[in-house]
Amino acid sequence: EDKVVQSPLSLVVHEGDTVTLNCSYEVTNFRSLLWYKQEKKAPTFLFMLTSSGIEKKSGRLSSILDKKELFSILNITATQTGDSAVYLCAVKVNRKLIWGLGTSLAVNP
Amino acid sequence: NAGVTQTPKFQVLKTGQSMTLQCAQDMNHEYMSWYRQDPGMGLRLIHYSVGAGITDQGEVPNGYNVSRSTTEDFPLRLLSAAPSQTSVYFCASSYSTGTSGANVLTFGAGSRLTVL
Repeated sequence: EDKVVQSPLSLVVHEGDTVTLNCSYEVTNFRSLLWYKQEKKAPTFLFMLTSSGIEKKSGRLSSILDKKELFSILNITATQTGDSAVYLCAVKVNRKLIWGLGTSLAVNP
Repeated sequence: NAGVTQTPKFQVLKTGQSMTLQCAQDMNHEYMSWYRQDPGMGLRLIHYSVGAGITDQGEVPNGYNVSRSTTEDFPLRLLSAAPSQTSVYFCASSYSTGTSGANVLTFGAGSRLTVL
């Protein structure tokens, strides 16, 4: 059975800290891996990764994929209270996305 | 651009009632899908469509029907509502190469449904 596992499930940090969120997967036909941010509303897209070792970066957020070890990490540097959200990872398998349960990040001032 | 529009945002139903959640997108996306999101369960795929006239079941299709008569619209019908269908529902769409399915999904704002 295809599965996507995110860790940790929740995390509390102070503003300015750096955090690393993990997403591991076991799927039959990997196509791509996507990261989303969800605040108290709909998920919004962050990154899509298809190739190992190529970092995607947007401001203080970055992500990388390891297709040999079957995982991805999402890094957030110099965290701000506005980074507080649930971060979702999804893997495209055939025509569908398989979702992890998310990591709930709380950034305290 | 409106993106993905879902209506209604909130709905309260009684057990056994039927209703339709509407979803429309104006991005000419071939792929459209419906998810439900429950605490501790994550996003679960209900039904999806890779183009007009083509629909398929996701992980949790029971109790729900869909149709895709146009590229723009993908309504979700609850046939006989049950308390277990209390959830937040998201419609999402993406471009698709042929029938390759989901890519970067754009989500609607969500519909919160309560079944008493």
